[in-house]
Amino acid sequence: NAGVTQTPKFQVLKTGQSMTLQCAQDMNHEYMSWYRQDPGMGLRLIHYSVGAGITDQGEVPNGYNVSRSTTEDFPLRLLSAAPSQTSVYFCASSRGDTSGDEQFFGPGTRLTVL
Amino acid sequence: GDSVTQMEGPVTLSEEAFLTINCTYTATGYPSLFWYVQYPGEGLQLLLKATKADDKGSNKGFEATYRKETTSFHLEKGSVQVSDSAVYFCALSDQGNKLVFGAGTILRVKS
Repeated sequence: NAGVTQTPKFQVLKTGQSMTLQCAQDMNHEYMSWYRQDPGMGLRLIHYSVGAGITDQGEVPNGYNVSRSTTEDFPLRLLSAAPSQTSVYFCASSRGDTSGDEQFFGPGTRLTVL
Repeated sequence: GDSVTQMEGPVTLSEEAFLTINCTYTATGYPSLFWYVQYPGEGLQLLLKATKADDKGSNKGFEATYRKETTSFHLEKGSVQVSDSAVYFCALSDQGNKLVFGAGTILRVKS
């Protein structure tokens, strides 16, 4: 099992550019989510999905879109990048949507927006 | 809303010293509590968890007890090693599986 994989590892964008951060998991997990990690703030939830075709907003969804067409993949789209989106992005997955389920994290994507 | 507060770091200890990282939480319901660890250049991994009051989570010599009366989940280890150097995050999940994280505490262990 590869677990949770994320691509790319590093990315530099210019303000206004768009890009998609890829996330995939091979554990047949129903629940997937995206977090951003900023210094001194821990991780904050951007969007999450409880299964294919179902997504919802987290704490900081503005500027980001998601879709979930398959169980395995959960891409995060930045339509028009802004410097405030400079961060490290983590994708996570878990078996279910129950409080207490362990979440498995990917290695992260470090994004810089100039 | 729900929130987690953990002690600021960095915490610097000598090898074999006792470790405590304080964590307190605010939640409207009855959350599950977690400690996640992030080693340099890696993603987060679950260290331990507790899902109800008075439960004790333990793993790799680390322990934490869910204290509802003090809304706390302090992380302890009796004897730290250099390999424990990492960032430690306290977190809770209350509604579904959405995690709310503390700011993280950097631990540095010197040999």
